[in-house]
Order: sequence, then C-alpha cells, then structure tokens
Amino acid sequence: QLQLQESGPGLVKPSETLSLTCSVSGDSISSDYYYWGWIRQAPGKGLEWIASVYYSGSTYYNPSLKSRVSIFVDTSKNQFSLEVTSVTAADTAVYFCTRGVRPVDYWGQGSLVTVSS
Amino acid sequence: SFVLTQPPSVSVAPGKTARITCGGNNIRAFSVHWYRQKPGQAPVVVIYYDSDRPSGIPERFSGSNSGNTATLTISRVEAGDEADYFCQVWDSGSDHPVVFGGGTKLTVL
Repeated sequence: QLQLQESGPGLVKPSETLSLTCSVSGDSISSDYYYWGWIRQAPGKGLEWIASVYYSGSTYYNPSLKSRVSIFVDTSKNQFSLEVTSVTAADTAVYFCTRGVRPVDYWGQGSLVTVSS
Repeated sequence: SFVLTQPPSVSVAPGKTARITCGGNNIRAFSVHWYRQKPGQAPVVVIYYDSDRPSGIPERFSGSNSGNTATLTISRVEAGDEADYFCQVWDSGSDHPVVFGGGTKLTVL
C-alpha cells in the first residue's frame, strides 16, 4: 500500500524559505507515468495546486507561484521535496504531497506550515 | 487557466439525493474527478474519469459530465456524507494543468 509522509518545520519566518520533504513508501518514485506533487490548503479555504514533477523529471508549476517554488526528486531516497522562497502569511497552509493528477489518487496526511515571526 | 465553478454549499435531508455541480467552459472535453474531504483529513477520490468509482466508494456515489457542467450525485444521503467536495480536471495544454473547483460544503440536515 502506497504511503506518503510529509516532513518539515511547522513554523517559518516571513521572507524565509519553506522546505518540505515527502517520503514515499510502497512504490518507487521512478515508476512510469506518475506525477508526484504538492497541493496546499489555506485555513478554511479550497485546494491550490502548487507543483508537479513527472517520473521523467519534467516539472510543472502553478504560474502564480512559479517564481518562488521549486520541486525536485531524490530517487536514491525515494523522496521528493518542495521549496517556497520569500514566504508571507499568505503561504500559511496545510501542505499535502500527492501522487497523480488524473486523478490525485494518493495524498499524504498533510503538514501545517505557519508563516509568522 | 481553466476555471471550475462550484456552489459554496448544498443542503439535503437524509435519504434524499444530493447533486453537486461543477461548471466550466465545455467541461465535457475534460475528464472530471471528484474528491470528498472531511475535517482534518486529506481529500479522497470518490469519482474519477467523470463516472468511475474507486473500490470502497458506495454505489450511491455517481458522476456525469455533459456540456458545461459535471455533476456529482449522492443518492440516499447519510449523515456521514457531510463533507467538502471538490471537482478537478487535468488540462494538459495549459500552463496551469491541475485545476480544482472552489469546493462545495454538503450539509446533511
């Protein structure tokens, strides 16, 4: 059974960089045809797609976040990661790591990241 | 980017049928996926590719997609169906390929 687990600091100061890692178990991150990605949900709000990386290494970013976001894969550790630079309070959200885009068939439990000084 | 529009809320009495819509320009050209999210939990797929049900999702859940509207139908609604529901499409030709609707809060009266 595939499992995704987010890890990273729960509190980040404004203007700093938010870094999260997703550890994948039960499947290889190099598996054919899957996208791995990040989706976030601000408190009381809807779902916002952030970025996805295809098994081949191709990356896709939400245009509204593209200038501040990076997604990258570490196949040796079967993990993928997210960085968001220059964070503000608007980046406070639960961050989900995910598999798939059509549909998003697996989700991590979510990691709450609060941006505050 | 493609825009998906959902009603913020839908209310239904137990045992009745709930219909949650997802509007988009010619949405029938896309495959629509539906998610249920309960408080404090990650979303779960309830319908994929317009009308397919994952294993473990009751037959009471069904989906359709036509014209400019996709619809999630929940028959014989139960108290446990109360949740937020989101629609989603994959727009491969867009620079914003993963699109979610704003979500609909289903309240069971």
